[in-house]
Amino acid sequence: EAGVAQSPRYKIIEKRQSVAFWCNPISGHATLYWYQQILGQGPKLLIQFQNNGVVDDSQLPKDRFSAERLKGVDSTLKIQPAKLEDSAVYLCASSPSGYYGYTFGSGTRLTVV
Amino acid sequence: RKEVEQDPGPFNVPEGATVAFNCTYSNSASQSFFWYRQDCRKEPKLLMSVYSSGNEDGRFTAQLNRASQYISLLIRDSKLSDSATYLCVVKGGNEKLTFGTGTRLTIIP
Repeated sequence: EAGVAQSPRYKIIEKRQSVAFWCNPISGHATLYWYQQILGQGPKLLIQFQNNGVVDDSQLPKDRFSAERLKGVDSTLKIQPAKLEDSAVYLCASSPSGYYGYTFGSGTRLTVV
Repeated sequence: RKEVEQDPGPFNVPEGATVAFNCTYSNSASQSFFWYRQDCRKEPKLLMSVYSSGNEDGRFTAQLNRASQYISLLIRDSKLSDSATYLCVVKGGNEKLTFGTGTRLTIIP
């Protein structure tokens, strides 16, 4: 079974620039999550999709972050404009729903300078 | 109060020793519980689910105490390869996962 695919693996941008991350979940997984993990902390949920609908985006800084999941498959997360404090690893995870574990992608490491 | 709290460590433990981590959660309506393992610069990976009756997987034992709202992980006969960060994870309604900050474990030869 192919895992959760994310790209790019690394990204370095200047503050106030824009950046986008892409995630392709495991085939058939209805639920997709974007997490932000700052160094030394646990992952923090940014947004959760069920198919192509948003279930929870309460912790997404909507003034600068946006996410979409067209057709209920892959997803993009965008930051515009980026701030220094956005430097983190952005993890995508998917789940078939129910009482199952969740599979994470390898993440995108963003550095804002 | 944080939704999920863990002692961040670090725990430095000699090889072969037994080590235990605890985690507390604030939402009594939480439904499911997990331990994830995260190696340096890698993504979190599911270590084991945690059941009310307690469960064991080789050298790893997980326990859940719903009345006290805490979860534990016990590692016996620790190996060098057990060095990692262990994340306590709680699932609530709508299948939202909430992570603790993680406990860093280093096994010393």
